[in-house]
Parts: sequence; structure tokens; C-alpha cells
Amino acid sequence: NAGVTQTPKFQVLKTGQSMTLQCAQDMNHNSMYWYRQDPGMGLRLIYYSASEGTTDKGEVPNGYNVSRLNKREFSLRLESAAPSQTSVYFCASSEVVTSRTYEQYFGPGTRLTVT
Amino acid sequence: AQSVAQPEDQVNVAEGNPLTVKCTYSVSGNPYLFWYVQYPNRGLQFLLKYITGDNLVKGSYGFEAEFNKSQTSFHLKKPSALVSDSALYFCAVSIYTGRRALTFGSGTRLQVQP
Repeated sequence: NAGVTQTPKFQVLKTGQSMTLQCAQDMNHNSMYWYRQDPGMGLRLIYYSASEGTTDKGEVPNGYNVSRLNKREFSLRLESAAPSQTSVYFCASSEVVTSRTYEQYFGPGTRLTVT
Repeated sequence: AQSVAQPEDQVNVAEGNPLTVKCTYSVSGNPYLFWYVQYPNRGLQFLLKYITGDNLVKGSYGFEAEFNKSQTSFHLKKPSALVSDSALYFCAVSIYTGRRALTFGSGTRLQVQP
């Protein structure tokens, strides 16, 4: 049981390049999330997917797109990378049952640098 | 809108002493509150949560937190700190909405000195 996995672990892009960050979970969770972590700002939600086939914007969605490929996989795409997108990106998943919110489980992160 | 404040960027404590990491929140409705810990170059690990019930919540590694509705606080505590507790701690809040996502505080770095 690997939990939440993310690839790649590190990436350096030039401004304007594109890339996709991959995330997969093996816990059969319905909900998946993408966050970015910047120093002194905690984690901020980029996009989330409440269930397979649905996605919605979070606090900071500009410059990103997502795809919920199936129940296990949730990818984040940067179409045209900018230096402001230099950050550490975390994927998370959770099981939400009726009105209760359960804890989220996080992947190890992808450290992205845009030059 | 929901928000979380962690007023201390860093907390220093000697090994064996009690520790407290502070968190206050603002939500409309009943909060679901969480504490996570992050070790260097790692993802976040869940420590404990308050959903409903007893205001004192016990979690992993000997940590506990007290939910105080009147003060809108959820401080993390441990009776006796270990050097291995040194890490970055995040408080987070959620309510039942369509989003069901967490809003995180800015984090508090805990340094436990031997």
C-alpha cells in the first residue's frame, strides 16, 4: 500500500515550457487535491476533485489545469510555466462520507523550479 | 470564508519540557480541525483531528490538542518534548461544503533543543 505517489520529485523548467505533474492514490479515496507550498504561506489549494469525473478551482488556479483521469489518478498541468510557479506541489486524497470530512493523506511532493 | 492563524513562526523548547503550538481559526459553521507535521523534504503527515465530541483530542506521537469554541482555538500540546519532534507544524480547518478542502495556517517551526 503505497498511499499517495507523485512524479517527478524534482523538475526544472524554462519560462514558457509545459509539464504535467502526476499523482496516484491506492486508498480508493473519492476526493483528490492539488496544493502548492510557498515559504511563510502554508499550503494553498490549486484544484480539487470531489469525485471521479468532477474538478473545481481552489484558491490559486490561474496558470494550471487538471485532469481526473480515473478514481486513482489526478494530474496537474502547467501549460506555460512562469517563475511565479516555482514552488513545492503536493497532491492529497481523502475519503469524504456524507457530512464528515476525513483527514487528507499527502504525497511526498514535487519541487518545481521555473527559470 | 474560512481562515487559520498560527501566530508564532517558531517555537523553541528544551527537551523534556512541555510544548504548545498555537492555532486560532475563523469559519462560518462548525469547524473540522486538523494538525499536520512536516519533516524536511517530506510530505505532510496527519497528527490528529477534531470533528465533534470531546474537546481534548489525542493523536500520534503523544500529541494532543484542545478545541476551545469560545476562543476559536485549537492549540497543539505535548507534555514532554523530544528532539525528534523538531519539524514544521500546520493547523488546518474545514467545514462541510462542496469544496471540502482544507485551509492551512502558515505553519510554525518547532525547535526542540537537547
